[in-house]
Amino acid sequence: NAGVMQNPRHLVRRRGQEARLRCSPMKGHSHVYWYRQLPEEGLKFMVYLQKENIIDESGMPKERFSAEFPKEGPSILRIQQVVRGDSAAYFCASSPRLAGDNEQFFGPGTRLTVL
Amino acid sequence: AQSVTQLDSQVPVFEEAPVELRCNYSSSVSVYLFWYVQYPNQGLQLLLKYLSGSTLVKGINGFEAEFNKSQTSFHLRKPSVHISDTAEYFCAVSDYLSGGGADGLTFGKGTHLIIQP
Repeated sequence: NAGVMQNPRHLVRRRGQEARLRCSPMKGHSHVYWYRQLPEEGLKFMVYLQKENIIDESGMPKERFSAEFPKEGPSILRIQQVVRGDSAAYFCASSPRLAGDNEQFFGPGTRLTVL
Repeated sequence: AQSVTQLDSQVPVFEEAPVELRCNYSSSVSVYLFWYVQYPNQGLQLLLKYLSGSTLVKGINGFEAEFNKSQTSFHLRKPSVHISDTAEYFCAVSDYLSGGGADGLTFGKGTHLIIQP
């Protein structure tokens, strides 16, 4: 059973460009979470999605950031008009959301560098 | 709102010595608690989790943690560390809701465990 897949692993963008980060959850998991990790910091929750639905986006910046998890294909985190402050590691996690358990399985991350 | 405090940003320990990484949390509801390990340039791997039941939880790689509700703590311990344990360790908390888990995990800032030969 393959783990959570993220691509690309490294992404370099110039200021003003768009960044698209992809996440394929573990087989059988229909719940996806995105987190951002700034240097020397812990992970900060951004958004929680199920297939075709955004359940909780309380951690998403109000502008330039969006996420989707279509019926077919991976979840996408999209950052428009990137700025230097967007440079970070972005982690995706998936979960089967079993009753009584909120364990999340993490991918290897996408490291975004904005020049 | 939840919060997690990891009191030590860095813990140096000699190889084969015991170690304790401290974690305190605050929450207005019952919680699930997790410890994750992150090796350089990698994702997070679950070490152990507390959901309910016994307050002493055993995890992988010889780690264990004890949930103390009165002190709102979930400290991580290992009786004898190895060089390969050098990594970043994150404590995380999630609200407990009947019928299923909640939303995102709230993480501490991490503790860098440095094993010295």
